[in-house]
Amino acid sequence: SQQGEEDPQALSIQEGENATMNCSYKTSINNLQWYRQNSGRGLVHLILIRSNEREKHSGRLRVTLDTSKKSSSLLITASRAADTASYFCATDEDCQTALIFGKGTTLSVSS
Amino acid sequence: DSGVTQTPKHLITATGQRVTLRCSPRSGDLSVYWYQQSLDQGLQFLIQYYNGEERAKGNILERFSAQQFPDLHSELNLSSLELGDSALYFCASSEWTGENSPLHFGNGTRLTVT
Repeated sequence: SQQGEEDPQALSIQEGENATMNCSYKTSINNLQWYRQNSGRGLVHLILIRSNEREKHSGRLRVTLDTSKKSSSLLITASRAADTASYFCATDEDCQTALIFGKGTTLSVSS
Repeated sequence: DSGVTQTPKHLITATGQRVTLRCSPRSGDLSVYWYQQSLDQGLQFLIQYYNGEERAKGNILERFSAQQFPDLHSELNLSSLELGDSALYFCASSEWTGENSPLHFGNGTRLTVT
């Protein structure tokens, strides 16, 4: 089952611009996590936001969570070419133990 | 480096065959997860083990099985392989203290069924 749905599917920007990715989910959650995947590699955890939190920052990353709308957004500020990757949101669907991932947003940052 | 080791990195086999994928979790992590990633299905959760016991089951086919051993390493067995089983198979581990902690992913095993 696919819990999170990222939007857009693909995003192309220039270095220095901000990138915003959105995620919508269907059920109640304990937390929502964002991961990054470079082509053909394993996913890397970026940030976790709990259901009682509304916003969280980590370096150039800013995540928001709106549980009433069942949605989250990931903002990457001042993008770099090295940020080129796929980004996935993941939730613990119905507060279960396993993380369910969306299909991801492919971000391309050109210099 | 996530600390999660998956072997082999690549596997090419024929339809109808059986393969075993192996995963060593990050030191100290008790929970192991298996995911399948394909272009059309995205990242699909297969199964989770915690300290040797099955904890959660996802979209795992009956032809697939897994286990976690006392030393916490895990194996995913895929049998009667079909062309559609070609995918990247990821293992991830976490401390899992009762609420989802971050997952640490290995670099995957790329399975090609011909």
